[in-house]
Amino acid sequence: DQQVKQNSPSLSVQEGRISILNCDYTNSMFDYFLWYKKYPAEGPTFLISISSIKDKNEDGRFTVFLNKSAKHLSLHIVPSQPGDSAVYFCAACAKGMGGSQGNLIFGKGTKLSVKP
Amino acid sequence: GAGVSQSPSNKVTEKGKDVELRCDPISGHTALYWYRQSLGQGLEFLIYFQGNSAPDKSGLPSDRFSAERTGGSVSTLTIQRTQQEDSAVYLCASSLVQNNNSPLHFGNGTRLTVT
Repeated sequence: DQQVKQNSPSLSVQEGRISILNCDYTNSMFDYFLWYKKYPAEGPTFLISISSIKDKNEDGRFTVFLNKSAKHLSLHIVPSQPGDSAVYFCAACAKGMGGSQGNLIFGKGTKLSVKP
Repeated sequence: GAGVSQSPSNKVTEKGKDVELRCDPISGHTALYWYRQSLGQGLEFLIYFQGNSAPDKSGLPSDRFSAERTGGSVSTLTIQRTQQEDSAVYLCASSLVQNNNSPLHFGNGTRLTVT
C-alpha cells in the first residue's frame, strides 16, 4: 500500500508557463514533506521542503503548498524552464513521532518535460 | 566540494553471486542512508547509520542484505546470493545530522543487474 502517491507519471508544459506537480499521502502521522529532483544517471537532489505547521513555502521559482485536511501537497514551478525537465519525487516522514528523515517515504515520481 | 561517491557505477552479476556496493559520504556527514529504486518505482528505504548508534535496518528486504559503516565514514552494502528481483539502482545518501534541516545528499547510484 503506497503511503505517498504521485498519480501523474508524466507532465508536459510549455516554457514560461506554470508546472504543477501533485502528491497525495495517506499517513496522517507524516509531518514533514520534501521534493527532490532527479536527472538521468544522477542521484536525486533536494529541492524544497515544508513542515506540517505551514501551508506554503516559497524558494525562488519553486513553491510548495500543503493541504493537511486533504493530505495533499503540490509543487509549483513558475516560470518553467527547459532545464527543469527532470523526474520530481515527493517524499514524507514522521519526524514528530520520533521518525527520522532517513525513513523518508518516496512517491514513484513525475517526469516533467518543459518544451521550449 | 566532493559529493557522495558510489562505486561501481554499474554492476552486472550472475544470479547466486554475492555483490558489494561502496559509498563514500560527504566528509563530516554523520548520517548515511541506503535506498534502492527498482524500475518504475519510487525510492525504497533500506538502512541508515547515525554516528555510533545502532543502524536502523528496518528497510532491508531480506537477510541476504547487510550493510556496514566502518570508522563512521565509508559504507558497504552487501547482497548475498543475488536474485533477479535485486536488480535496481542502489542509492546512497548522507546528511550532516539526522534532522529536518539537513537534507539528504545523494550519490549517483550503482545500477545492479542480476542475470
